[in-house]
Amino acid sequence: KQEVTQIPAALSVPEGENLVLNCSFTDSAIYNLQWFRQDPGKGLTSLLLIQSSQREQTSGRLNASLDKSSGRSTLYIAASQPGDSATYLCAVDTDKLIFGTGTRLQVFP
Amino acid sequence: NAGVMQNPRHLVRRRGQEARLRCSPMKGHSHVYWYRQLPEEGLKFMVYLQKENIIDESGMPKERFSAEFPKEGPSILRIQQVVRGDSAAYFCASSQDTVNTEAFFGQGTRLTVV
Repeated sequence: KQEVTQIPAALSVPEGENLVLNCSFTDSAIYNLQWFRQDPGKGLTSLLLIQSSQREQTSGRLNASLDKSSGRSTLYIAASQPGDSATYLCAVDTDKLIFGTGTRLQVFP
Repeated sequence: NAGVMQNPRHLVRRRGQEARLRCSPMKGHSHVYWYRQLPEEGLKFMVYLQKENIIDESGMPKERFSAEFPKEGPSILRIQQVVRGDSAAYFCASSQDTVNTEAFFGQGTRLTVV
């Protein structure tokens, strides 16, 4: 049974810091991995999708890496801003998305 | 190209009533997924549908819950005889294909059972 874990559960940092959010999964038989952002009371916004054959994807200040063999992905956020405050979710695709419990990020000015 | 549309955004039901949640996928998407998010918890998979077919309902409670995705119209998640424990945010996602394609989520329906 696929299980997805995210560490840390919560993170509070001052503006400008570079951040690393971690995601691990137990079964490496995945099609892809997606990172999402969820604002309080809102839906999910897709940030990055990494195909199983890829090692990383970049979008602006975000970079996500995938090491399928070790069951790990990291989301790197450069030069964090207060507007980055949200919950970040990773999900592995095994013909349906299996989600981690998220990392709640707060960036204060 | 409108995104995934869910309605209503908020739904209040008394215990024992029925709740109907609707999801219109993105244009060109024929795969629909329903997820439930309990307060302070992660998203849990409920059911995966294609047009007129239920592909995977392994996350659906055995009783009171049903889902459909008819040939015409939105996907419907139906909860009969709601109980307080059904209070949650229900999210719908759609994708163009079953694998290796990006899933897009709606804004969710927040169900409150009083």
